[in-house]
Amino acid sequence: AQSVTQPDIHITVSEGASLELRCNYSYGATPYLFWYVQSPGQGLQLLLKYFSGDTLVQGIKGFEAEFKRSQSSFNLRKPSVHWSDAAEYFCAVGAPGGYNKLIFGAGTRLAVHP
Amino acid sequence: GAGVSQTPSNKVTEKGKYVELRCDPISGHTALYWYRQSLGQGPEFLIYFQGTGAADDSGLPNDRFFAVRPEGSVSTLKIQRTERGDSAVYLCASSLHTGTRTGNTGELFFGEGSRLTVL
Repeated sequence: AQSVTQPDIHITVSEGASLELRCNYSYGATPYLFWYVQSPGQGLQLLLKYFSGDTLVQGIKGFEAEFKRSQSSFNLRKPSVHWSDAAEYFCAVGAPGGYNKLIFGAGTRLAVHP
Repeated sequence: GAGVSQTPSNKVTEKGKYVELRCDPISGHTALYWYRQSLGQGPEFLIYFQGTGAADDSGLPNDRFFAVRPEGSVSTLKIQRTERGDSAVYLCASSLHTGTRTGNTGELFFGEGSRLTVL
């Protein structure tokens, strides 16, 4: 069965510092991979996605993620965090060729210190 | 509207009561999804509509939960005989494509959710 693990429940970084949020997935083949962000009072928003091709994908708001098949990982990174990045981040996996029945991880809550 | 609209934003009810949660998707989006997000968890899939029909309802936890989308646009999630364990945020999402290999944009557009509290 598909599953997603986000090992870090909470992460705190200083504004301007770099960020890496971890995501590991379990799936029999190469899945579709996503990162969503959930800010207070707002719906989940897609940051970026990986379907195939280049394993380093760029997203909105300066985020990027790298798919590593050998590690079953899809970690999210940002070189310099802004205070407005404080939110909850969800990694999700979907079945290729299927509809958007996404399996989400439990999320990582990011706090940003000034 | 411009985005997915969900009403009510908050609903407090007593155990055993009936609840309806409404979702108005983005105009033109044929696919509609309901997810449930419990405290400290990620969203969990409940049901998927393609047009008027429920194409996959495998995530509905039991027969107290039911959803409809009679005209292929607005959807209503119905919960009978609510229990305290039903307390969660119910999220609705829509997407433009059905998710076929060529048409799958992979992007779900989520509403802000309906927070249900069962006392």
